Amino acid sequence: GQNIDQPTEMTATEGAIVQINCTYQTSGFNGLFWYQQHAGEAPTFLSYNVLDGLEEKGRFSSFLSRSKGYSYLLLKELQMKDSASYLCAVRGQKTGGSYIPTFGRGTSLIVHP
Amino acid sequence: GAGVSQSPRYKVTKRGQDVALRCDPISGHVSLYWYRQALGQGPEFLTYFNYEAQQDKSGLPNDRFSAERPEGSISTLTIQRTEQRDSAMYRCASSAETGEMNTEAFFGQGTRLTVV
Repeated sequence: GQNIDQPTEMTATEGAIVQINCTYQTSGFNGLFWYQQHAGEAPTFLSYNVLDGLEEKGRFSSFLSRSKGYSYLLLKELQMKDSASYLCAVRGQKTGGSYIPTFGRGTSLIVHP
Repeated sequence: GAGVSQSPRYKVTKRGQDVALRCDPISGHVSLYWYRQALGQGPEFLTYFNYEAQQDKSGLPNDRFSAERPEGSISTLTIQRTEQRDSAMYRCASSAETGEMNTEAFFGQGTRLTVV
């Protein structure tokens, strides 16, 4: 089975930094995604980590530790438009044999002025 | 097309009826994925295709659910004898390569299915 855990909700102030954590337990591991989903919209890709370490892309960074089953998404210089749900998705092996990602329930981030 | 297109956007059906949900992936994308998303939850895997071949259908909840992609482009997810518990947002995604979503996937706007 696969288990992905992330906080349900977080709040932060405009201009601040926020870290969204994701822990996982999977059968096999082949990478971890972060997706952003605004209310009523489709998920959109943010990052993909396969190896341990930090990947930086503009205001967003994603970190992975495979040995700890842990990842985080770091958002800097928060803007109001960053208010959204952030989905952690892990490529663990499914019962059908594939490594199609399993998504967590998402972390709803609320950015206030 | 410019993005993943799904139709209809909204579908209300009576319990016991069959429904067919359509997904038109980004032109040239070889992999297509079906997910289901309940309100406040992350997407739940249903099935996926490389070209016309269904590779993994282990996420389909029961045998009332089926999917096809006969020409390796447009896909249809069919739910027979719908039940109220089937009500959800059904999302399709596509990606350019065959690596079991090892690259960015693009999601459609989804079909909101309501079974009454």
